[in-house]
Amino acid sequence: GAVVSQHPSWVICKSGTSVKIECRSLDFQATTMFWYRQFPKQSLMLMATSNEGSKATYEQGVEKDKFLINHASLTLSTLTVTSAHPEDSSFYICSARTSGRYTDTQYFGPGTRLTVL
Amino acid sequence: QKEVEQNSGPLSVPEGAIASLNCTYSDRGSQSFFWYRQYSGKSPELIMSIYSNGDKEDGRFTAQLNKASQYVSLLIRDSQPSDSATYLCAVNILKAMEYGNKLVFGAGTILRVKS
Repeated sequence: GAVVSQHPSWVICKSGTSVKIECRSLDFQATTMFWYRQFPKQSLMLMATSNEGSKATYEQGVEKDKFLINHASLTLSTLTVTSAHPEDSSFYICSARTSGRYTDTQYFGPGTRLTVL
Repeated sequence: QKEVEQNSGPLSVPEGAIASLNCTYSDRGSQSFFWYRQYSGKSPELIMSIYSNGDKEDGRFTAQLNKASQYVSLLIRDSQPSDSATYLCAVNILKAMEYGNKLVFGAGTILRVKS
């Protein structure tokens, strides 16, 4: 159980184009999903918290107009990198949170490796 | 002070030994704690979760929690070369009531198990 998928697993695009990444919880409903970015040899950096049916909450320093997040259903969140540039090249990972009686647990998708030429 | 701190390592242990990974956190109100394993180029994989003081065992893994000392650890018994990875400690910190808890990650400890 608690499987999270991401699509695509990797993408190469030209500078200035937009890229959409999908994150799906396959066997559970996730009212909250998270988007992280990880540069080589660095730790995970939380970009934004995606709440179903409401606007995403962005971490300080993350441009909301550049990284568009839509959480349209309880099993799907999308991240669109608009007007991508080489410095946006990174490993983008989503996670979905389950809710239990005592705690919340996050399960990660396999990640999307973005390369902007 | 960082919210979650880990020694970056690398921690090198011989095959078959016990690997001990440590983590401290700053928020005394934290109630849930997680260990994730991340192989190079892959996303994090949940290994253990722990919510109460004491030990929790799962196979070769044992998580230990001491809330008074704000300390959580992960022991890996009979370490194997396949255990070589970065281990991330994560702590649930109350961000805001309307958004629920926020999972804060440590920078991770690199573990190398030598055969």
